[in-house]
Amino acid sequence: GIQVEQSPPDLILQEGANSTLRCNFSDSVNNLQWFHQNPWGQLINLFYIPSGTKQNGRLSATTVATERYSLLYISSSQTTDSGVYFCAVEHLNTGNQFYFGTGTSLTVIP
Amino acid sequence: NAGVTQTPKFRVLKTGQSMTLLCAQDMNHEYMYWYRQDPGMGLRLIHYSVGEGTTAKGEVPDGYNVSRLKKQNFLLGLESAAPSQTSVYFCASSYLVEQFFGPGTRLTVL
Repeated sequence: GIQVEQSPPDLILQEGANSTLRCNFSDSVNNLQWFHQNPWGQLINLFYIPSGTKQNGRLSATTVATERYSLLYISSSQTTDSGVYFCAVEHLNTGNQFYFGTGTSLTVIP
Repeated sequence: NAGVTQTPKFRVLKTGQSMTLLCAQDMNHEYMYWYRQDPGMGLRLIHYSVGEGTTAKGEVPDGYNVSRLKKQNFLLGLESAAPSQTSVYFCASSYLVEQFFGPGTRLTVL
């Protein structure tokens, strides 16, 4: 398989602060997605980003496939941003199979 | 447009019992996936399907079987449940590569 490591494992922020979450992967990938799992357990798509940079409101993501990492930026954090953020990659050699990292647990306090 | 739905939402089984989890999607997606989520381990792929009538093993397939008789449905079966199968099960579907998840099924095996 492929190893997917996320950092930091836990993060506590004051409302309004900015943060950067990192996803490192051990081999070449076809695809990469970022998800937010809310406190009720629902997994929500944030970005499909195999390479390059995308922005959606206060969130943006950058993937540098040649260096095997992706970053998720959260600006002006809100309490509703709390939850777990997962990175998932589709290994180049085993198409259709996604491998998830263990996530970053974010808590935003008012 | 309901997206991806899962039935049931919760279930408690005794060791050795069998059950089937149903996943349904109304987005006409070709690809469907079953994952399990255990504490601290992220999501792991159990089985997946690239189209009606096809199935394939993922990262952790032992103890599970699947069927994709209709394009919109993907069934996950446990023939003889074990306590190690206590987990939250998520179904996902995708058209090409961007996955969309159902709300999950929380299964406890006593």
